[in-house]
Amino acid sequence: RKEVEQDPGPFNVPEGATVAFNCTYSNSASQSFFWYRQDCRKEPKLLMSVYSSGNEDGRFTAQLNRASQYISLLIRDSKLSDSATYLCVVNPGGTSYGKLTFGQGTILTVHP
Amino acid sequence: GAGVSQSPRYKVAKRGQDVALRCDPISGHVSLFWYQQALGQGPEFLTYFQNEAQLDKSGLPSDRFFAERPEGSVSTLKIQRTQQEDSAVYLCASSRRRDRGYEQYFGPGTRLTVT
Repeated sequence: RKEVEQDPGPFNVPEGATVAFNCTYSNSASQSFFWYRQDCRKEPKLLMSVYSSGNEDGRFTAQLNRASQYISLLIRDSKLSDSATYLCVVNPGGTSYGKLTFGQGTILTVHP
Repeated sequence: GAGVSQSPRYKVAKRGQDVALRCDPISGHVSLFWYQQALGQGPEFLTYFQNEAQLDKSGLPSDRFFAERPEGSVSTLKIQRTQQEDSAVYLCASSRRRDRGYEQYFGPGTRLTVT
């Protein structure tokens, strides 16, 4: 079983749609969680951190459920510019702290 | 300000050749990471430096892979006797904090193709 699992998609949605991505992780001791965005042939860039209380940044909402080891990302009012691969990222605890573990990525295409 | 830079951006090597990939982290960033990203996959951790010390190399796939950061700034990832399975994008990331937990900023990567 992979340490971080995501539905690879692709998700094809029209502009203005709401889309949700899910992710599960296997290491219950993991300490911090992130969503990164990666455009085609570009480097990953931090989209947002994920907190247990849930957090929102404009059209983006991230949720963490530690009991279920589940992370989600919700994008509202999708824009064409949201088209990218979304990577679920876990920062393990203990001696592996900082050794980011990435999911496979979920491909999103927003069309007119 | 300047981000993480990597060179070369593209490298084609014949099987058996040695390659060296360079990473210039953001100035003042203590922590430096190397990741390998295969096509259609997320990046996978290779190794980690705090200043000049290589504190974790558990992700290096074989002893053909070697990384160094002698002065705590620029880092080089060397792959000896390249194999086709080494073809991937090699990403470098740097982070400001010592504890490795702070945001990691990625460079554009070096796309290595072994023929």
